[in-house]
Amino acid sequence: RKEVEQDPGPFNVPEGATVAFNCTYSNSASQSFFWYRQDCRKEPKLLMSVYSSGNEDGRFTAQLNRASQYISLLIRDSKLSDSATYLCVVQLNTGNQFYFGTGTSLTVIP
Amino acid sequence: GAVVSQHPSRVICKSGTSVKIECRSLDFQATTMFWYRQFPKQSLMLMATSNEGSKATYEQGVEKDKFLINHASLTLSTLTVTSAHPEDSSFYICSARDRVGESTDTQYFGPGTRLTVL
Repeated sequence: RKEVEQDPGPFNVPEGATVAFNCTYSNSASQSFFWYRQDCRKEPKLLMSVYSSGNEDGRFTAQLNRASQYISLLIRDSKLSDSATYLCVVQLNTGNQFYFGTGTSLTVIP
Repeated sequence: GAVVSQHPSRVICKSGTSVKIECRSLDFQATTMFWYRQFPKQSLMLMATSNEGSKATYEQGVEKDKFLINHASLTLSTLTVTSAHPEDSSFYICSARDRVGESTDTQYFGPGTRLTVL
């Protein structure tokens, strides 16, 4: 069983739409959670960490549900520049390796 | 954010040759660096964890004699793909771990090296 599972998409949404991605993880002892963004043929870049209480950064909101072992990312008012692959990342403990999901592809259409 | 560089960005080589990839943390000291490989439409897969001054820890299925890792300083780790074959063609990405206190543990990624073995 994979450590982290994501729906690969693709998600094609119009500009201004709201889109949500979910990700599930298998190890209930996981402690740290992140969303990374990866543009085509580029390295992943940290979008935001995910905290137990949920957190928001501008148009982006991340939620963690420990009971169901899933993480979500909500993007409001989608921009063309949001088109990318969004990677869900889970870490067992601080200092341990990161486990990456396969990524969810988003294309925002004019 | 922290900057990690990787060199070369792209390499094309003949089968049987060895390729060396460098990963540098430019504005912080990284006691731990990670090497990932990403095949098209797949997730990043951790190959090995590189700790400064000690031997790398390899993930299951990764041949340590084929993928040589050296982490000689706090800012430099190298990955050498020995006797590369076409199936080694992939996107190799390094990351460096920047710890700020005990509550923040972020990995910063290099720009990646696209290896094509003919």
